Amino acid sequence: DVKVTQSSRYLVKRTGEKVFLECVQDMDHENMFWYRQDPGLGLRLIYFSYDVKMKEKGDIPEGYSVSREKKERFSLILESASTNQTSMYLCASSPDRVRETQYFGPGTRLLVL
Amino acid sequence: DAKTTQPTSMDCAEGRAANLPCNHSTISGNEYVYWYRQIHSQGPQYIIHGLKNNETNEMASLIITEDRKSSTLILPHATLRDTAVYYCIVRVGTSGSRLTFGEGTQLTVNP
Repeated sequence: DVKVTQSSRYLVKRTGEKVFLECVQDMDHENMFWYRQDPGLGLRLIYFSYDVKMKEKGDIPEGYSVSREKKERFSLILESASTNQTSMYLCASSPDRVRETQYFGPGTRLLVL
Repeated sequence: DAKTTQPTSMDCAEGRAANLPCNHSTISGNEYVYWYRQIHSQGPQYIIHGLKNNETNEMASLIITEDRKSSTLILPHATLRDTAVYYCIVRVGTSGSRLTFGEGTQLTVNP
C-alpha cells in the first residue's frame, strides 16, 4: 500500500510565524505535490516537484516555498503565516509514468490566528 | 482538459451496487478517465482510471462507453464507509500534473 504521511493533522499558528509542513512517501515516487483545499474553491496546486532538488510553481505559490532534499520528503514552508492561509493542506505523490494517479496524505488542517 | 458532468448527489442501500455516472462528451482520444473520492475531512483517494477498455480493481469497476462520452464507476457492494464525494476527472495521461476536482457526486450509503 502506498503511504503518504503528513507531520500534523491539526496545527494552530499565529500571524507572522514561519510554518513547516512535512510530507513523506514510502513508495519511491518521483513526483510530489502540495495542494490546498478550501470550501467553494476546490483543490488548488501550490507547488510540485518531479525530482530531488527540483520544484515548480503551481497555481498559487505566493507566500509559500518548498524543499525537496530527499526523494521521499517534500516540505511546504509558509514564510510568514497569514490568516488567509488558514486551510486544509494536502500532500500527494505519484509515480513518474502516471502523474495523474496521485496518492494523498490525510491532510493538515492549519488555522492561522 | 475535457469537462465532466456528474449528478450532485446519490443514495445507495448498504450491500447494493452503487453506480455513479459521469458524462465527458468532449473527451479526446488520448484522454484518460480518472476517479477519485474524498471521505469527509480526509485526503482524496485514487480509485481507478481507464482509457477505453473497462477496468476493475479491488475497489471498483470502471465502465466506459464505446464512444467514450460517458463512464460509470461501480462499487459492487457499497458499505457505509463508501459514503464520500466521488470525482470524475478526464486528463491526458503523463503530460500534466495538477488535479482539478469539479463538484463531484456526494454518495450516501444508507443502512
